[in-house]
Order: sequence, then structure tokens, then C-alpha cells
Amino acid sequence: KAGVTQTPRYLIKTRGQQVTLSCSPISGHRSVSWYQQTPGQGLQFLFEYFSETQRNKGNFPGRFSGRQFSNSRSEMNVSTLELGDSALYLCASSLGDRDDYTFGSGTRLTVV
Amino acid sequence: DAKTTQPPSMDCAEGRAANLPCNHSTISGNEYVYWYRQIHSQGPQYIIHGLKNNETNEMASLIITEDRKSSTLILPHATLRDTAVYYCIVRVATGNTGKLIFGQGTTLQVKP
Repeated sequence: KAGVTQTPRYLIKTRGQQVTLSCSPISGHRSVSWYQQTPGQGLQFLFEYFSETQRNKGNFPGRFSGRQFSNSRSEMNVSTLELGDSALYLCASSLGDRDDYTFGSGTRLTVV
Repeated sequence: DAKTTQPPSMDCAEGRAANLPCNHSTISGNEYVYWYRQIHSQGPQYIIHGLKNNETNEMASLIITEDRKSSTLILPHATLRDTAVYYCIVRVATGNTGKLIFGQGTTLQVKP
């Protein structure tokens, strides 16, 4: 079966710009979570969507937002980019609460 | 969610068993122990999980102590492709809302 697909794989943006990242979960999976990974902070939870509703949110500023569509695809947006937003952004999907998470390969964002 | 403690790094000879320990002394009765691994530049990959009984699948075995305060992930015949960062996570099996709390993990280096 097809895995979790994240696009684009690499992205370079300038400080102050905004960016939108996309995640297509495994077919049938309704939960999509987003994580940020940096060398200093490791893997940190951003937010989770289930059936188009945000169910949980990590400790990130309001510049980080997301949404989920009726087909379970999800997007996350970061506005007013800062150098510190440079990171690997990972998306994970699952069927529901009892199930394990399958991660995508991530989007590598570089802010210059 | 309970906190976990893992050694920062370990080495293992190719073909030998790799035993990765994890301490989770504050684990609650309804929390499971999960293991994920992350190979360089990829998203984390689910390996195995358990509540209190030992578990085995095609990838690994999980040994949980009787008091559930620690566990060991065993890769029976490590290969070079098992070189990765291994994360031990404890979480409840339901009502998770997508949040996985990753620590720093153990970097396993499998050597020829």
C-alpha cells in the first residue's frame, strides 16, 4: 500500500515569508499529526487532526497552523518565517486512537 | 505521559543481538511501551509495542520487566541497516490524540 506522502521534499524560503506543506495520509487513515525535528530540540509534536478537527496542539506559536480536508489530506502553514523554523517537518497518519503511526519522509525546510 | 530514559549511544557487531534498554519508572497502569526507530533522513518507523507481556514480531522482541519500570528492545541479528536512532515511548493506547513524546533516543551503530 502507498505510504504517507509529503510534498515538497525540500524547500528554501526567506525570512518573513510563509510556507505551506502538504501531507497525504495512507488511504483510510483519518488521523494526521505533524512534528518538527531540529538538532537542538529533537522531535516535537505540533498538532493533530482527526476528521477535519484539530484534537491536540503542541507548544508552538500561532504562526504554525494546519488544517485537514474531507479526504484526510492535511496541510500545515507557517507564517512570518524565522531562521529557527528551519527543520525537518514530519507528518504521521493512523487509523485512529488504538493504532500506530506511519510517518512520511518529511519536508526539509530551510529559512535563509 | 511517563518520561523515558535511554542511553545516548550503543554499538553492536553485525550478526549479534542488539539489546536496547529503556527506563520508564513512572509508567502508569494504562500506558503501553512503544518503540520507534529513525534511520538517517527518514521519518520514524514503528517497531513494536507492549503492555506487560513480552512481545515479538518480525522485526524485534520487547521484554518488559514485571514491575514495568523498564524494558529492553532486542534485535536478534543486527544488520548494518539497523543503524538508527531508537526511541522508547510510553503512552496510553486510547485517547492519544496523535501526540507522541520523543526523547533523545539511543543511537545504535551496527559495525561490520
